[in-house]
Amino acid sequence: EIVLTQSPGTLSLSPGERATLSCRASQSISSNYLAWYQQKPGQAPRFLIYGASSRATGIPDRFSGSGSGTDFTLTISRVEPEDFAVYYCQQYGALPPITFGQGTRLDIK
Amino acid sequence: QVQLVESGGGVVQPGRSLRLSCVASGFIFNTYGMHWVRQTPGKGLEWVAVISYDGARKYYVDSVKGRFTISRDNSRNTLYLQMDSLRPEDTALYYCAKDLIRASSWFIFDYWGQGTLVTVSS
Repeated sequence: EIVLTQSPGTLSLSPGERATLSCRASQSISSNYLAWYQQKPGQAPRFLIYGASSRATGIPDRFSGSGSGTDFTLTISRVEPEDFAVYYCQQYGALPPITFGQGTRLDIK
Repeated sequence: QVQLVESGGGVVQPGRSLRLSCVASGFIFNTYGMHWVRQTPGKGLEWVAVISYDGARKYYVDSVKGRFTISRDNSRNTLYLQMDSLRPEDTALYYCAKDLIRASSWFIFDYWGQGTLVTVSS
């Protein structure tokens, strides 16, 4: 089973700042099969990114994904007030089971 | 627009059974694989099971194999999760989720329901 470790646990930023969230895998993820989700309190996860860098339909271009192998990054170029949430990475390259990271909380500074 | 509405959660004693349902709308249900994913404060998000668009293929996480059964009724646009021999560690918010890719199961979840809470406790 591939273990995904996200860092930092909490990221405190002000609106307009750049957010960089990391997801590290315990072994290489084939074909960069990595996705990102956003979750706000009391809501279901929202699909953001797949294939490490492809944005889902309707996702603003301030969200971008990058990386390969074992190291992946979700970047929010300029954080908007609605972006404060928990972000999860998920690998689907070695399944089953697919696995999720433990999440990074993006907080308002 | 895509909607997934779960139901069937509740409080149940260990060893008992529960059946979850998920009614889908806004897309051609019988052309997409469907999943159940659960979430707990302690373990986070955990994929539970998948069923192919035609119901022919099913896969489960090891911890529920032999106890949970995923199924679907394409005539009713409904996904099910039959949960038997429930354990306290099955306590979670259960989401149904739609696969991104049509006629395949890529384990990418592009739409999620709001979840139904299952509590296993004596």
